[in-house]
Amino acid sequence: AQTVTQSQPEMSVQEAETVTLSCTYDTSESDYYLFWYKQPPSRQMILVIRQEAYKQQNATENRFSVNFQKAAKSFSLKISDSQLGDAAMYFCAYRRGHQNFGNEKLTFGTGTRLTIIP
Amino acid sequence: SAVISQKPSRDICQRGTSLTIQCQVDSQVTMMFWYRQQPGQSLTLIATANQGSEATYESGFVIDKFPISRPNLTFSTLTVSNMSPEDSSIYLCSVEDPGRGNYGYTFGSGTRLTVV
Repeated sequence: AQTVTQSQPEMSVQEAETVTLSCTYDTSESDYYLFWYKQPPSRQMILVIRQEAYKQQNATENRFSVNFQKAAKSFSLKISDSQLGDAAMYFCAYRRGHQNFGNEKLTFGTGTRLTIIP
Repeated sequence: SAVISQKPSRDICQRGTSLTIQCQVDSQVTMMFWYRQQPGQSLTLIATANQGSEATYESGFVIDKFPISRPNLTFSTLTVSNMSPEDSSIYLCSVEDPGRGNYGYTFGSGTRLTVV
């Protein structure tokens, strides 16, 4: 079974600085997707960024980027120019395979609570 | 992308009673996923609901405690039965959303359940 591990229960960063959240996963699959989701106090799950395992290029979305190391099974999230609105729980998640659209579940890590210091 | 309407947003219930949570999606989807998020913890999949067949439950979750209905391709309900304080959690539904491009997921806004 796939497992996702986030070893940092809490992180903090000064506003405008850069922070990196760690995620490792375990799978025997070669095709999969990885995600970072953000959950602010409103509890709404918000997709931050997504990475396809078959792509070597790291995904980037504005101030958010990932460092995807497939051999090491590592998927870290870098947040640049941190803003107060970035404060939230961040969950790393795994989806098996690139087929069976609509039928595959997400497996989540334990989460990292990010605090932004003004 | 898809929009999910989840109701109720929160409720406080007496132990021994049941609560039914509804999720309505504005487009047809194959599977709907139900998650539980205990206080301060991550999301754990309860079950996967497919239209026209019985839901598939994850280890540790049983149909008698969490019955699920999926009458059509846009709607599902999760019932939390015979509640105890340990059932106090956030419950979320989710779908894999074709409107998000390849393999993105949309979530309902969650139901915060407190059992007293």
